[in-house]
Amino acid sequence: ETGVTQTPRHLVMGMTNKKSLKCEQHLGHNAMYWYKQSAKKPLELMFVYNFKEQTENNSVPSRFSPECPNSSHLFLHLHTLQPEDSALYLCASSPRTGRGANVLTFGAGSRLTVL
Amino acid sequence: AQKVTQAQTEISVVEKEDVTLDCVYETRDTTYYLFWYKQPPSGELVFLIRRNSFDEQNEISGRYSWNFQKSTSSFNFTITASQVVDSAVYFCALSEDGGSQGNLIFGKGTKLSVKP
Repeated sequence: ETGVTQTPRHLVMGMTNKKSLKCEQHLGHNAMYWYKQSAKKPLELMFVYNFKEQTENNSVPSRFSPECPNSSHLFLHLHTLQPEDSALYLCASSPRTGRGANVLTFGAGSRLTVL
Repeated sequence: AQKVTQAQTEISVVEKEDVTLDCVYETRDTTYYLFWYKQPPSGELVFLIRRNSFDEQNEISGRYSWNFQKSTSSFNFTITASQVVDSAVYFCALSEDGGSQGNLIFGKGTKLSVKP
């Protein structure tokens, strides 16, 4: 596989469930990102990891818990979500962080519906 | 503060028409980067172009062209002779060199529908 792969592509969960989103990149990049895309807002950056270390948490509620075991894999653990958390969650990667010239490569997203 | 405005929410054209997608940005930095991404129905954002603040030359790539004007803080995108496959949501984005982790600030996107 090439590029950035996200699984599952679709997820429906209740507010009391615990689930995880997975992202894998095969580009040799060192930085990975989670973005949230909801219907009424622009794309919002959630988390940034650089060389497995979290370098940014954009005031994301603790019911979203990221994990980056290595530079190729990124998870978003979900628990006790709210219906307003329903959105498309996009993973992205780039060679590195810290510079505005970064071109991000995005996955196809995981469409989350919280009932 | 940084901000990207895409005033056109939706545009509908007929195949072979030319269409321009507008993007206006705000930044206090002198060094910054502007991007356009395309999001087809499949969901992934596809990178189209990156332009830095010191390069105001317009760029053409096939049927796509971009007009960067610092005087009006605009970075508009034109598709010439549009095709049905151009139907997608197009996002303009800004990144400041001194910004947080190279964070991309996205506009709300313009949904382009090209009808046969």
